[in-house]
Order: sequence, then structure tokens, then C-alpha cells
Amino acid sequence: QVQLVESGGGVVQPGGSLRLSCAASGFIFSIYGMHWVRQAPGKGLEWVAFIRHDGSKHYADSVKGRFTISRDNSKNMLYLQMISLRAEDTAVYYCAKVGSEERDFDFWGQGTLVTVSS
Amino acid sequence: QSALTQPRSVSGSPGQSVTISCTGTSSDVGGYKYVSWYQQLPGKAPKFMIYEVFKRPSGVPDRFSGSKSGNTASLTISGLQAEDEADYYCCSYAGSYTWVFGGGTKLTVL
Repeated sequence: QVQLVESGGGVVQPGGSLRLSCAASGFIFSIYGMHWVRQAPGKGLEWVAFIRHDGSKHYADSVKGRFTISRDNSKNMLYLQMISLRAEDTAVYYCAKVGSEERDFDFWGQGTLVTVSS
Repeated sequence: QSALTQPRSVSGSPGQSVTISCTGTSSDVGGYKYVSWYQQLPGKAPKFMIYEVFKRPSGVPDRFSGSKSGNTASLTISGLQAEDEADYYCCSYAGSYTWVFGGGTKLTVL
């Protein structure tokens, strides 16, 4: 069965950097696009970034220029490199797999918490 | 991209039906057939419930149904059960490989 396991969250100071990872299993990782979606404490879901199976990358305006999504198909791994972190980036970060037409999110990981605070 | 508009809360008694609306614009909900819905139980990851406006993934009860008219999509849950109590989020494709979520609706089963 599909499994997505995020890691790498933690506490970081404003202006700092962090790299999140998502280990995928149970499906052919290389042929599916993958997303990062975040949820600030007590708030709703916010789409963050998407990487297609072909490696093309797309970002929400709120993170463009600061976050970089990447993947390593040989390791079945998804990454999110975050720099210039702000307090408003504090959230649980979920990785999610695209559905059959690449327009929805059919499986989600359990999330990893990023806290940006001095 | 502005978040899609959902009611903050809805409620219903067991056995009743409730409908959650999700209003966007012609650039997202109204412009594409790619509206999806997610259920989030407290402290858990979201779960895929509806895709392409009205389609149900395998394993989702047929008590859950979706529809769309113009710039507004809706999720209807019939035959409410206590286990349906959760937060529900709509999401729409917004073009150029970008997506927008709704603010979420808390469903209370009375």
C-alpha cells in the first residue's frame, strides 16, 4: 500500500533554513507527480509546491524564490528545501501523491512540524 | 491566489443530510472540472474523498457526493454518522499547475 513518511521538521530561527524529506513506498514513485501542502496551527490547508514526474516544478506565490522542491527517483524520495524562513511558515508540512489525472491529492503522509521562532 | 470560501461550520443530526459549499472564481472552481474534497479528522492527515467534482475514490461511502454549479462546488453527506464529524476542505485546480484550497468547514454531528 502507498506510504508517505515525512521527516526533517524542527525549530528554526527566522531567516534560517531547513530541508524536509518524504520517503515514498508502495507505488512506482518515478511516474507520479508529488506535492507539498502545509497547515499552520489551527488553520486550513495551503498548497505549497508541486513537482511533476518529468521534474518540472511549480510553487505558490507565498514561497516562490525561497522554497525548492526536488525529487530523487532512485531513492523514492521527495524533498523541500526552505530558506529565508519566516514566522508565517510555521506549519505542519505534508507530502502528497497526485491522483490519476494529476489534478488532486490521493495519498498523504502524516506530516512534519516546522516551527519558525527565535 | 485567494482561498476558496467555505462556511466555517455546519451541523446535523445522525441520519440527516448536510451540504458544504465551496465558492471560488472562474479562474479556479468555475474554470475546471478538477474540484476535490478532503476529510481531516483531528490530529490526522487529510483523506481523499471526492475528485473531479463528483467522483469517489475506492472505499469512500456513497453517502458522500459532490456537485458543481458555476463557481460554487458542494459536498453533500447523507445519512450522517458520528464518524463523519471532521473538518472538510475543498480544493480546486487553478491552472498552470497551481492549486487553491478552501478555508475548511468543521462538521459537527449533533
